[in-house]
Amino acid sequence: DAGVIQSPRHEVTEMGQEVTLRCKPISGHNSLFWYRQTMMRGLELLIYFNNNVPIDDSGMPEDRFSAKMPNASFSTLKIQPSEPRDSAVYFCASSLGGTLTDTQYFGPGTRLTVL
Amino acid sequence: AQKITQTQPGMFVQEKEAVTLDCTYDTSDPSYGLFWYKQPSSGEMIFLIYQGSYDQQNATEGRYSLNFQKARKSANLVISASQLGDSAMYFCAMREGRNTNAGKSTFGDGTTLTVKP
Repeated sequence: DAGVIQSPRHEVTEMGQEVTLRCKPISGHNSLFWYRQTMMRGLELLIYFNNNVPIDDSGMPEDRFSAKMPNASFSTLKIQPSEPRDSAVYFCASSLGGTLTDTQYFGPGTRLTVL
Repeated sequence: AQKITQTQPGMFVQEKEAVTLDCTYDTSDPSYGLFWYKQPSSGEMIFLIYQGSYDQQNATEGRYSLNFQKARKSANLVISASQLGDSAMYFCAMREGRNTNAGKSTFGDGTTLTVKP
């Protein structure tokens, strides 16, 4: 079975450029989560969707970050313009539902480096 | 206040021995779930084990078991018969059952486990 798929796996860009990270959740999963992992701040939840609707985006750092989920099988996280402090590993995760018993399964992550 | 506290930044264990990784949590919600994840050096996050707040028995999954002490608000991960492949970062996480925010997880800072041959 295919797990959560993320692309690209690595992204190197220059400050000021737009970056788009992509995620395909596990088929049949109704909830999707975007996390950011850094040494300084650990693993932070940025936003999560339930049935393609954003439920909580309180973790999105600022207006430069936006996330969309146009359908049940695809989501994007966009950073525009990117800054060096955005360098991190970005994980997408999905779960069957949005309840507390539903396990989140993580994708392999996208390692973003902003120069 | 930290919702999830992992007090051991790093732990060492001899191969084939058991090791306990500590996790304490803070919540006033009676409904919550506790999760452990493993992150090897390759970077992926691997789900290990789940414990619900109303579960009567401690969760077990193969060599992993969860020592759940509700009154102490602790959910320690026990790995039996450690293997070299267990060397990784381990994260404890919690989801609280408050209505629509039940999907939101809080993660601890992690514990790096090194298994010595």
